[in-house]
Formats: sequence, structure tokens, C-alpha cells
Amino acid sequence: NAGVTQTPKFQVLKTGQSMTLQCAQDMNHEYMSWYRQDPGMGLRLIHYSVGAGITDQGEVPNGYNVSRSTTEDFPLRLLSAAPSQTSVYFCASSYGVSSYNSPLHFGNGTRLTVT
Amino acid sequence: AQSVTQPDIHITVSEGASLELRCNYSYGATPYLFWYVQSPGQGLQLLLKYFSGDTLVQGIKGFEAEFKRSQSSFNLRKPSVHWSDAAEYFCAVGAGNTDKLIFGTGTRLQVFP
Repeated sequence: NAGVTQTPKFQVLKTGQSMTLQCAQDMNHEYMSWYRQDPGMGLRLIHYSVGAGITDQGEVPNGYNVSRSTTEDFPLRLLSAAPSQTSVYFCASSYGVSSYNSPLHFGNGTRLTVT
Repeated sequence: AQSVTQPDIHITVSEGASLELRCNYSYGATPYLFWYVQSPGQGLQLLLKYFSGDTLVQGIKGFEAEFKRSQSSFNLRKPSVHWSDAAEYFCAVGAGNTDKLIFGTGTRLQVFP
């Protein structure tokens, strides 16, 4: 099984450019989420989704958009990149945060640099 | 809203020594508690979880954690650390009325031979 697949692995953007980080899972998980990881800050929740057509904001949603048109995919969009968005981004999925038998499955991350 | 604090940024232990990583949470009701481990350049892997019941939970790789409601803590322990345990460890808290899983800032573990 592929699990959670994130693309690209690395990306360099200039300030003001837009891009989409892709995330796909093949486990039929209803719950998907995006985190950013910064030194000394741990993982901070950006957006999450409990199913197709449903999204909600996490701790640090500003500057990011998401949509969930299918169960499998949960892309993260940066409309106008800023240096403060330089980070490592992780996508994760599960059957649900409150599902005992379904821990979060993480992708391998996308390292984004905004210059 | 729930939150979690890991007071130790960096811990160094000798191989074979015991280990305790601290985690304190804030949440009004019974939380869901997790410990994850991240090896360099990798995503996170679940070590163990607490939802209810027995407050001492066993996980993979010989780790255990104890939920103490009176102290709002969920500390991770291992009786004898191996060099391969060197990694970053994250405590996380979820809640029944929300689908947010909130992580702490992490504790980096270094193991000396």
C-alpha cells in the first residue's frame, strides 16, 4: 500500500508565487489534515477535513486554502507565498481523531522554501 | 480548546539508561492522548495512545506511558534506552468534541553509547 503520498518532496518559491501541495491516501480514510513543522514549534495544524466536501481551520490557517472534493485527495494551496511559510509540511490521514483503532498516518513531508 | 506542553526541548541519555519524557495537557474532559516518534527526515509514527481504561499503556519499541489525571500528565517512559531510540518525540492531545489533534513542540532525544 502506498499510504499517504505527498508531492513534491522539495519546492522553492519566490515571494508572491502560488502553488499547491498535493496529498493523496489510498486507505479510504475520512479524516485528513495538514500540519506544518518548524523548529521549536512542533507540528501545528493548518486545516483538516472529516470527509469529502467538509473542511475546517486548525491552529494556523491564514495564508492557506484547502478543499476536499474526493475522499482520497486533500490539496493545500498557497495563494501568495511568503517567507514565513518556509517550513516542512506534513499531510496525515486516519478514520478519525477519536477512532481508537486508527492512528494518524503521515506522509513523508514536503520541504518548502520561500525566498 | 485543548493544548499540550512538552517542557523538555532536548534530553541526552546514555545507552541503557532509563528515560522519561514529560507531557502535560490542557483539556476540560478526558482527552485522547498520543505519543509519536519522528526519525530524521521521516514522518511521524505512533508509539502509543490512551483513550480510556487502564492508565498505564504499553506501546511499540518497549515504550510505555502513564495517564495521570490529577497532574494532567502523560509521561513517556522506557526502562533501557537503545541508540536507535534517538529521535524527536511528540505528545499530542485530541478531544471528543473536535477532530483537531494538537501536538506539543517535541523533545529531541540524543543517546550516547
